[in-house]
Amino acid sequence: NAGVTQTPKFQVLKTGQSMTLQCAQDMNHNSMYWYRQDPGMGLRLIYYSASEGTTDKGEVPNGYNVSRLNKREFSLRLESAAPSQTSVYFCASQGAGYTEAFFGQGTRLTVV
Amino acid sequence: EDKVVQSPLSLVVHEGDTVTLNCSYEVTNFRSLLWYKQEKKAPTFLFMLTSSGIEKKSGRLSSILDKKELFSILNITATQTGDSAVYLCAGPKGDSNYQLIWGAGTKLIIKP
Repeated sequence: NAGVTQTPKFQVLKTGQSMTLQCAQDMNHNSMYWYRQDPGMGLRLIYYSASEGTTDKGEVPNGYNVSRLNKREFSLRLESAAPSQTSVYFCASQGAGYTEAFFGQGTRLTVV
Repeated sequence: EDKVVQSPLSLVVHEGDTVTLNCSYEVTNFRSLLWYKQEKKAPTFLFMLTSSGIEKKSGRLSSILDKKELFSILNITATQTGDSAVYLCAGPKGDSNYQLIWGAGTKLIIKP
């Protein structure tokens, strides 16, 4: 029972470097999400994908791009990392409506 | 602007105590409110509330919603050290079918 698998778990980048965070779910969910979590600020939505082939901006999309590769996979790309992007990133997937969302184990990203 | 506010931000109690965590929300077009528990890593789903006055219960945890006062509480009775976590509250944003607005969370510490 893998659920939502997110890689990598940890990453250190230098300012200006790029990287892609990978996420895959095996629950046949239509909706997938990328959040960032910063101390004292709760979860903030970066991008989401309501279904395969669609993506939409969330609350804090600047500096990020996403790809919904297929129904299972939703990746998040940082083209030119900045220290302000130091955060913990979570991928999530959800079935129809506001049912339970399942989260990946998170990626702790540090940009120096 | 839609927002979800949780209180207190942190709480330290002793094992066996009962705690009440609060979530107030201001969202247009209320549809539901969700509670999650976050231990070291990924948030895990606790409850979804849609109707006022109906308590949802799972073991020692229970939650109730007051739609008139735009308020929800999460109660934990006979607390155990394993209840130590951050408890998150969230509600759908505006008319979106996909975006959630998250509170900053309540960090609960249970001392033996």
